[in-house]
Amino acid sequence: DTEVTQTPKHLVMGMTNKKSLKCEQHMGHRAMYWYKQKAKKPPELMFVYSYEKLSINESVPSRFSPECPNSSLLNLHLHALQPEDSALYLCASSQLNTDTQYFGPGTRLTVL
Amino acid sequence: TQLLEQSPQFLSIQEGENLTVYCNSSSVFSSLQWYRQEPGEGPVLLVTVVTGGEVKKLKRLTFQFGDARKDSSLHITAAQPGDTGLYLCAGETFGSGGYQKVTFGTGTKLQVIP
Repeated sequence: DTEVTQTPKHLVMGMTNKKSLKCEQHMGHRAMYWYKQKAKKPPELMFVYSYEKLSINESVPSRFSPECPNSSLLNLHLHALQPEDSALYLCASSQLNTDTQYFGPGTRLTVL
Repeated sequence: TQLLEQSPQFLSIQEGENLTVYCNSSSVFSSLQWYRQEPGEGPVLLVTVVTGGEVKKLKRLTFQFGDARKDSSLHITAAQPGDTGLYLCAGETFGSGGYQKVTFGTGTKLQVIP
């Protein structure tokens, strides 16, 4: 199984809503990542987890709250988002000290 | 901040033509990867190059890593409509915890017209 799954595929939310994005992998990878990709732009790193601990937060606003409850799951909790947060949110995972990240299909988020 | 500049930004060619995409940086990377991304989907890894001067071939695609490990190129021979997509290079360094820190290039949007 070399798949990273993400749910939901599409999400529309208002600025006062609270929602969560979910990412799952069963490849035994101990590093997991969240990226944000705006239209026609490359992905930008948001968070990195290593051994279920937050290793990198790329100065992401606190309205985005990551969580890694176990080695297979990565969540991104969303609260009080702004319309400019609308983007494709990508999850990825990798073995430690290797060259390959596996990306999920992404969640297309629209904030109204 | 590590930056990876890709050129050209957009490329529209006829089926059967050859093309080269460049990825340049002032930073040295542990390795460099090329991805292709379809609209609304996640990037799919095409290749990883690790050694300076390395050349890898994947059917009609040829990837080269610069000697100084700062730049790379992707050459496609006899392009086909199925090659259409966004091509991203990505430079990689390792964090102290063994995780990858990946910086994506600015992207090249390729359209191959039948």
